[in-house]
Amino acid sequence: DAKTTQPPSMDCAEGRAANLPCNHSTISGNEYVYWYRQIHSQGPQYIIHGLKNNETNEMASLIITEDRKSSTLILPHATLRDTAVYYCIVRLWANFGNEKLTFGTGTRLTIIP
Amino acid sequence: DAGVTQSPTHLIKTRGQQVTLRCSPKSGHDTVSWYQQALGQGPQFIFQYYEEEERQRGNFPDRFSGHQFPNYSSELNVNALLLGDSALYLCASSLGSRGNQPQHFGDGTRLSIL
Repeated sequence: DAKTTQPPSMDCAEGRAANLPCNHSTISGNEYVYWYRQIHSQGPQYIIHGLKNNETNEMASLIITEDRKSSTLILPHATLRDTAVYYCIVRLWANFGNEKLTFGTGTRLTIIP
Repeated sequence: DAGVTQSPTHLIKTRGQQVTLRCSPKSGHDTVSWYQQALGQGPQFIFQYYEEEERQRGNFPDRFSGHQFPNYSSELNVNALLLGDSALYLCASSLGSRGNQPQHFGDGTRLSIL
């Protein structure tokens, strides 16, 4: 699996958009970008994933560069409940079964009131 | 719709003992994966079960073993516990019969070894 690089920590003001970057310069054509977050004392929560097109759901948007070497997770209007560790994961696509998730150390996002 | 449930939530054991952790997957899911998360680290993959068989395994010793039951629930067993086995053990479930499905996690079992 390709490795990812994320800043160890970031701050964002409440109500503003939080933009979390991730570098995955060695990603291969059959690998997806996944984002999870982990709020203290809870299990990781799935946020979004994508291959090469930008994706949006009720939680966030995922912007993947055209060369697929980096991506940005966008939380459009951050709230205090978004304070968490955010993990960017590159995961091998499989047409059957489920490939494992390889977690790094993530970005600790703190939302400031 | 119940999510992934794990039991117990907390457990204290001593070195050399054996422990069994349990996981019930989210409704409709048939694949269970187990992860170990040490303090301050990201989760590390232990193994995955699908159709009652271990399908993938991470870099963990044979002291770590598992089982999946016909109802898709799963157990993680750890023998000869070491101090270094103290961690949060996470279970994740997914739909294995379709590729590239997100894994959904429970809130884990906190295991402390004295």
